[in-house]
Amino acid sequence: NAGVTQTPKFQVLKTGQSMTLQCAQDMNHEYMSWYRQDPGMGLRLIHYSVGAGITDQGEVPNGYNVSRSTTEDFPLRLLSAAPSQTSVYFCASSPDRGSVNEQFFGPGTRLTVL
Amino acid sequence: KNEVEQSPQNLTAQEGEFITINCSYSVGISALHWLQQHPGGGIVSLFMLSSGKKKHGRLIATINIQEKHSSLHITASHPRDSAVYICAVTKYNNNDMRFGAGTRLTVKP
Repeated sequence: NAGVTQTPKFQVLKTGQSMTLQCAQDMNHEYMSWYRQDPGMGLRLIHYSVGAGITDQGEVPNGYNVSRSTTEDFPLRLLSAAPSQTSVYFCASSPDRGSVNEQFFGPGTRLTVL
Repeated sequence: KNEVEQSPQNLTAQEGEFITINCSYSVGISALHWLQQHPGGGIVSLFMLSSGKKKHGRLIATINIQEKHSSLHITASHPRDSAVYICAVTKYNNNDMRFGAGTRLTVKP
């Protein structure tokens, strides 16, 4: 199993550009989530999904969209990138019952918005 | 005030020492997680607790639900334990999670 994979590993955007961060898992996990990690602030939940077709907002959802058309994939879309979205982004998954289970994290995407 | 507070922020120990990292939270929870973030950035889950105590090798995690407090202990610390340790909680009755800022542990040989 590849576990949780994220692409790209690094990305530089200009203000106003849009892009999609990809996340996929091959463990048949129902729960998937996106986090951002900023220095001194810890991880913050952006959006999560408890299954295909179901998504919900976390602590910091503004400026981001998600969809979950399949169990395996959970892409994160930045609609119009802003410098405040410069961060490291982690995707994670866990079996049914969502985040009360052990979380499996992807390797992260380091995003810089100029 | 953050919903999850960790202490200390930074911790330096000599190899072999017993280490304790503390986590306090202010919300109702379904579960508490301890995570380890390696210097390269990867994050792995160490423990998920809803009550009592769990042990895995040299790591022990405890939780006191009444006091809203958890501790992570490392016995016989080793330089390879050097990492950032993160406490996180799953808020009660939903899947929303909150994270502490992390404790940076350095174990010197």
